[in-house]
Amino acid sequence: KQEVTQIPAALSVPEGENLVLNCSFTDSAIYNLQWFRQDPGKGLTSLLLIQSSQREQTSGRLNASLDKSSGRSTLYIAASQPGDSATYLCAVANQAGTALIFGKGTTLSVSS
Amino acid sequence: GAGVSQSPRYKVAKRGQDVALRCDPISGHVSLFWYQQALGQGPEFLTYFQNEAQLDKSGLPSDRFFAERPEGSVSTLKIQRTQQEDSAVYLCASSLVLTGGTEAFFGQGTRLTVV
Repeated sequence: KQEVTQIPAALSVPEGENLVLNCSFTDSAIYNLQWFRQDPGKGLTSLLLIQSSQREQTSGRLNASLDKSSGRSTLYIAASQPGDSATYLCAVANQAGTALIFGKGTTLSVSS
Repeated sequence: GAGVSQSPRYKVAKRGQDVALRCDPISGHVSLFWYQQALGQGPEFLTYFQNEAQLDKSGLPSDRFFAERPEGSVSTLKIQRTQQEDSAVYLCASSLVLTGGTEAFFGQGTRLTVV
Protein backbone atom coordinates (compact mmCIF):
# COMPACT_ATOMS: atom_id res chain seq x y z
CA LYS A 1 0.00 0.00 0.00
CA GLN A 2 1.37 3.39 -1.00
CA GLU A 3 2.35 5.62 1.90
CA VAL A 4 3.38 9.25 1.59
CA THR A 5 5.38 10.98 4.30
CA GLN A 6 6.17 14.66 4.60
CA ILE A 7 8.94 16.14 6.68
CA PRO A 8 8.94 18.41 8.59
CA ALA A 9 5.37 18.53 9.89
CA ALA A 10 5.77 22.23 10.65
CA LEU A 11 8.29 24.91 9.78
CA SER A 12 8.73 28.53 10.86
CA VAL A 13 11.10 30.82 8.99
CA PRO A 14 11.74 34.57 8.71
CA GLU A 15 10.81 36.34 5.51
CA GLY A 16 13.38 36.06 2.73
CA GLU A 17 14.70 32.61 3.57
CA ASN A 18 14.96 29.86 1.00
CA LEU A 19 13.46 26.59 2.22
CA VAL A 20 12.94 22.97 1.26
CA LEU A 21 9.96 20.74 1.99
CA ASN A 22 10.43 16.99 1.72
CA CYS A 23 8.11 14.25 0.54
CA SER A 24 8.80 10.52 0.37
CA PHE A 25 6.69 7.66 -0.97
CA THR A 26 7.03 3.92 -0.55
CA ASP A 27 5.98 2.63 -4.00
CA SER A 28 7.87 4.06 -6.96
CA ALA A 29 5.18 2.89 -9.43
CA ILE A 30 3.45 6.25 -9.61
CA TYR A 31 1.72 8.05 -12.45
CA ASN A 32 2.68 11.55 -11.33
CA LEU A 33 3.29 13.68 -8.25
CA GLN A 34 1.58 16.93 -7.34
CA TRP A 35 2.29 19.60 -4.78
CA PHE A 36 -0.70 21.47 -3.37
CA ARG A 37 -1.19 24.44 -1.09
CA GLN A 38 -4.04 24.55 1.44
CA ASP A 39 -5.02 27.69 3.34
CA PRO A 40 -7.06 27.34 6.57
CA GLY A 41 -10.68 26.49 5.83
CA LYS A 42 -10.05 26.38 2.11
CA GLY A 43 -9.69 23.75 -0.58
CA LEU A 44 -6.47 22.71 -2.25
CA THR A 45 -4.66 24.75 -4.88
CA SER A 46 -2.41 22.87 -7.28
CA LEU A 47 1.11 24.30 -7.36
CA LEU A 48 3.15 21.93 -9.51
CA LEU A 49 2.57 18.64 -11.33
CA ILE A 50 5.51 16.39 -12.20
CA GLN A 51 4.89 13.48 -14.55
CA SER A 52 6.66 10.23 -13.65
CA SER A 53 9.06 10.67 -16.58
CA GLN A 54 10.09 14.17 -15.49
CA ARG A 55 12.74 15.24 -12.99
CA GLU A 56 11.53 18.71 -12.02
CA GLN A 57 9.05 21.50 -12.60
CA THR A 58 9.34 25.21 -11.91
CA SER A 59 6.76 27.93 -11.38
CA GLY A 60 7.92 31.34 -10.25
CA ARG A 61 9.69 31.01 -6.90
CA LEU A 62 8.74 27.33 -6.64
CA ASN A 63 10.77 24.39 -7.88
CA ALA A 64 9.79 20.77 -7.38
CA SER A 65 12.03 17.80 -8.06
CA LEU A 66 11.20 14.12 -8.39
CA ASP A 67 13.50 11.13 -7.89
CA LYS A 68 11.16 8.23 -8.56
CA SER A 69 13.73 5.51 -7.96
CA SER A 70 14.44 6.68 -4.43
CA GLY A 71 10.83 7.65 -3.76
CA ARG A 72 11.52 11.28 -2.99
CA SER A 73 10.36 14.72 -4.00
CA THR A 74 11.33 18.13 -2.73
CA LEU A 75 9.59 21.49 -3.00
CA TYR A 76 11.99 24.41 -2.96
CA ILE A 77 10.59 27.86 -2.14
CA ALA A 78 12.90 30.78 -2.86
CA ALA A 79 12.82 34.10 -1.02
CA SER A 80 9.87 33.16 1.19
CA GLN A 81 7.14 35.72 1.91
CA PRO A 82 4.46 35.94 4.65
CA GLY A 83 1.88 35.14 1.95
CA ASP A 84 3.51 31.74 1.52
CA SER A 85 2.23 30.74 4.96
CA ALA A 86 -0.03 27.71 4.43
CA THR A 87 -0.03 23.92 4.56
CA TYR A 88 1.79 22.25 1.68
CA LEU A 89 0.60 18.81 0.63
CA CYS A 90 2.39 16.29 -1.54
CA ALA A 91 0.32 13.69 -3.42
CA VAL A 92 1.19 10.82 -5.73
CA ALA A 93 -1.17 9.41 -8.33
CA ASN A 94 -1.54 5.63 -8.30
CA GLN A 95 -0.44 3.74 -11.38
CA ALA A 96 -3.98 3.57 -12.73
CA GLY A 97 -4.28 7.32 -12.39
CA THR A 98 -7.57 6.99 -10.52
CA ALA A 99 -6.57 8.31 -7.11
CA LEU A 100 -4.18 10.68 -5.38
CA ILE A 101 -2.53 9.51 -2.16
CA PHE A 102 -1.66 12.42 0.09
CA GLY A 103 0.85 13.03 2.81
CA LYS A 104 -0.22 14.81 6.01
CA GLY A 105 1.36 18.05 4.90
CA THR A 106 3.93 20.56 6.12
CA THR A 107 2.54 23.67 7.79
CA LEU A 108 4.71 26.65 6.91
CA SER A 109 4.75 29.94 8.76
CA VAL A 110 6.74 32.84 7.33
CA SER A 111 7.16 35.82 9.65
CA SER A 112 7.76 39.38 8.49
CA GLY B 1 -18.37 28.10 -13.47
CA ALA B 2 -14.70 28.90 -13.19
CA GLY B 3 -13.90 26.30 -10.57
CA VAL B 4 -15.19 23.28 -8.67
CA SER B 5 -18.17 24.25 -6.55
CA GLN B 6 -19.35 22.35 -3.49
CA SER B 7 -22.48 22.82 -1.42
CA PRO B 8 -23.29 23.24 1.32
CA ARG B 9 -20.06 24.72 2.70
CA TYR B 10 -21.02 23.68 6.22
CA LYS B 11 -23.41 21.00 7.44
CA VAL B 12 -24.32 20.05 10.99
CA ALA B 13 -26.13 16.75 11.27
CA LYS B 14 -27.55 14.90 14.24
CA ARG B 15 -26.18 11.40 14.67
CA GLY B 16 -28.29 9.00 12.63
CA GLN B 17 -29.39 11.62 10.12
CA ASP B 18 -28.79 11.16 6.38
CA VAL B 19 -26.84 13.87 4.51
CA ALA B 20 -26.20 14.67 0.83
CA LEU B 21 -23.20 16.67 -0.33
CA ARG B 22 -23.10 18.17 -3.81
CA CYS B 23 -20.21 18.75 -6.20
CA ASP B 24 -20.31 20.76 -9.43
CA PRO B 25 -17.08 20.01 -11.32
CA ILE B 26 -15.46 22.23 -13.90
CA SER B 27 -17.46 22.00 -17.12
CA GLY B 28 -16.10 19.36 -19.47
CA HIS B 29 -13.98 17.60 -16.87
CA VAL B 30 -14.17 13.86 -17.32
CA SER B 31 -12.78 12.74 -13.98
CA LEU B 32 -14.31 13.45 -10.58
CA PHE B 33 -12.95 12.45 -7.17
CA TRP B 34 -14.21 12.59 -3.61
CA TYR B 35 -11.85 12.83 -0.64
CA GLN B 36 -12.34 12.94 3.13
CA GLN B 37 -10.05 15.14 5.20
CA ALA B 38 -10.00 14.78 8.97
CA LEU B 39 -8.58 17.60 11.10
CA GLY B 40 -4.80 17.78 10.83
CA GLN B 41 -4.61 15.03 8.22
CA GLY B 42 -4.13 14.88 4.48
CA PRO B 43 -7.12 14.08 2.28
CA GLU B 44 -8.05 10.39 2.03
CA PHE B 45 -9.39 9.03 -1.26
CA LEU B 46 -13.02 7.91 -1.25
CA THR B 47 -14.14 7.31 -4.84
CA TYR B 48 -13.49 8.12 -8.50
CA PHE B 49 -15.80 8.67 -11.48
CA GLN B 50 -14.95 8.75 -15.14
CA ASN B 51 -17.95 10.49 -16.65
CA GLU B 52 -20.96 8.69 -15.11
CA ALA B 53 -19.08 5.47 -14.37
CA GLN B 54 -17.86 4.91 -10.82
CA LEU B 55 -14.58 3.13 -11.56
CA ASP B 56 -13.11 3.04 -8.08
CA LYS B 57 -14.94 3.10 -4.77
CA SER B 58 -12.30 1.34 -2.75
CA GLY B 59 -11.92 4.25 -0.32
CA LEU B 60 -15.53 4.41 0.84
CA PRO B 61 -15.30 3.55 4.56
CA SER B 62 -18.59 1.68 4.86
CA ASP B 63 -21.78 0.84 3.04
CA ARG B 64 -23.32 3.94 4.62
CA PHE B 65 -21.41 5.98 2.04
CA PHE B 66 -22.77 6.19 -1.48
CA ALA B 67 -21.78 8.40 -4.42
CA GLU B 68 -23.36 9.00 -7.79
CA ARG B 69 -22.81 11.03 -10.92
CA PRO B 70 -25.79 10.05 -13.08
CA GLU B 71 -25.25 12.39 -16.02
CA GLY B 72 -21.50 12.62 -15.90
CA SER B 73 -21.39 16.13 -14.46
CA VAL B 74 -22.78 16.94 -10.99
CA SER B 75 -22.00 14.40 -8.30
CA THR B 76 -23.60 13.72 -4.93
CA LEU B 77 -21.98 12.01 -1.95
CA LYS B 78 -24.58 10.58 0.40
CA ILE B 79 -23.92 9.43 3.93
CA GLN B 80 -26.64 7.44 5.63
CA ARG B 81 -27.13 7.18 9.40
CA THR B 82 -24.26 9.57 10.12
CA GLN B 83 -21.87 8.79 12.97
CA GLN B 84 -19.54 11.11 14.87
CA GLU B 85 -16.52 9.62 13.13
CA ASP B 86 -17.94 10.90 9.83
CA SER B 87 -17.15 14.47 10.93
CA ALA B 88 -14.61 15.79 8.45
CA VAL B 89 -14.19 18.03 5.43
CA TYR B 90 -15.35 16.36 2.24
CA LEU B 91 -13.44 17.55 -0.81
CA CYS B 92 -14.39 17.12 -4.43
CA ALA B 93 -11.91 17.39 -7.29
CA SER B 94 -12.15 17.21 -11.05
CA SER B 95 -9.67 16.89 -13.89
CA LEU B 96 -9.91 17.11 -17.63
CA VAL B 97 -8.90 13.52 -18.22
CA LEU B 98 -7.39 10.93 -15.92
CA THR B 99 -5.38 12.17 -12.96
CA GLY B 100 -2.30 10.76 -14.57
CA GLY B 101 -2.54 13.16 -17.45
CA THR B 102 -3.61 16.45 -15.99
CA GLU B 103 -3.77 18.22 -12.70
CA ALA B 104 -6.72 17.92 -10.36
CA PHE B 105 -8.67 21.00 -9.28
CA PHE B 106 -10.29 20.96 -5.85
CA GLY B 107 -13.39 22.62 -4.48
CA GLN B 108 -13.44 24.40 -1.12
CA GLY B 109 -15.02 21.41 0.56
CA THR B 110 -18.02 20.74 2.78
CA ARG B 111 -17.30 20.68 6.50
CA LEU B 112 -19.58 18.06 8.07
CA THR B 113 -20.04 18.05 11.83
CA VAL B 114 -22.05 15.20 13.35
CA VAL B 115 -23.38 15.95 16.83
